[in-house]
Amino acid sequence: EAAVTQSPRSKVAVTGGKVTLSCHQTNNHDYMYWYRQDTGHGLRLIHYSYVADSTEKGDIPDGYKASRPSQENFSLILELASLSQTAVYFCASSDGKNTLYFGAGTRLSVL
Amino acid sequence: QQQVRQSPQSLTVWEGETAILNCSYEDSTFNYFPWYQQFPGEGPALLISIRSVSDKKEDGRFTIFFNKREKKLSLHITDSQPGDSATYFCAASDSNYNVLYFGSGTKLTVEP
Repeated sequence: EAAVTQSPRSKVAVTGGKVTLSCHQTNNHDYMYWYRQDTGHGLRLIHYSYVADSTEKGDIPDGYKASRPSQENFSLILELASLSQTAVYFCASSDGKNTLYFGAGTRLSVL
Repeated sequence: QQQVRQSPQSLTVWEGETAILNCSYEDSTFNYFPWYQQFPGEGPALLISIRSVSDKKEDGRFTIFFNKREKKLSLHITDSQPGDSATYFCAASDSNYNVLYFGSGTKLTVEP
C-alpha cells in the first residue's frame, strides 16, 4: 500500500500555463520534499517543508512555489510553466530519522 | 554546484561479478551517506547507508566503504544479479532538516 501518493502520474502542459502537482502521504511524517529528476543531474531539491503551513526553498526553487496546507499534503505549483521544467518530479516524506520515502513520480511534459 | 559526484555514469558487469560504484562529496559537514536504488518507473528507495563515524557498512551483498579524509565512498555489490540492474544514487546530508543532496546516479546493468 503506497504511503506517498503523487497525482497526476503524468501531465502534458502548455507553455505559460499553470500546473499543480499534488502529493499525499499516510506515513504521519513531518518532513516532505519535492525533487526534480533530469537525466545527468540526478535528483535536485526544489522545496521542502518540516511543518504544516510552512515551506522552505531548496537548491532550485526558481519558477516553483510550494504549499503545505496539512501534514499529509504537499503541492508543487508552476505558475507559468516553461519548456525547461519538463522533467520527472518526485515527492518524498521523512520522519526526521534521515530515510526519505519517495512516491512513484509525476512525468511532466511542457509543450 | 554539485555537492555530490558519482562515477561512472553507467556500468555493465556480468552476473556473479562485483560492481563498484563511486561517490565523492565536498561539504565536510556531511555526516550521513545513504545509497538509493531506483528501478524504471519507480521512485528511489533506500538501499543501505553509513554515518561518518564508520568506515564500512555491510548488508548482505552490498557494502559501503567510506574514506572521510578523502571525502570519498564506494558501494560494492558482490555476486551481482540481473535483478540488481537499476540506477544507484549516492546522497549526503548534514542532518539539517533531513535534506539529502543526491549525486547524478550510476546506471548499473548486470548481464546474465
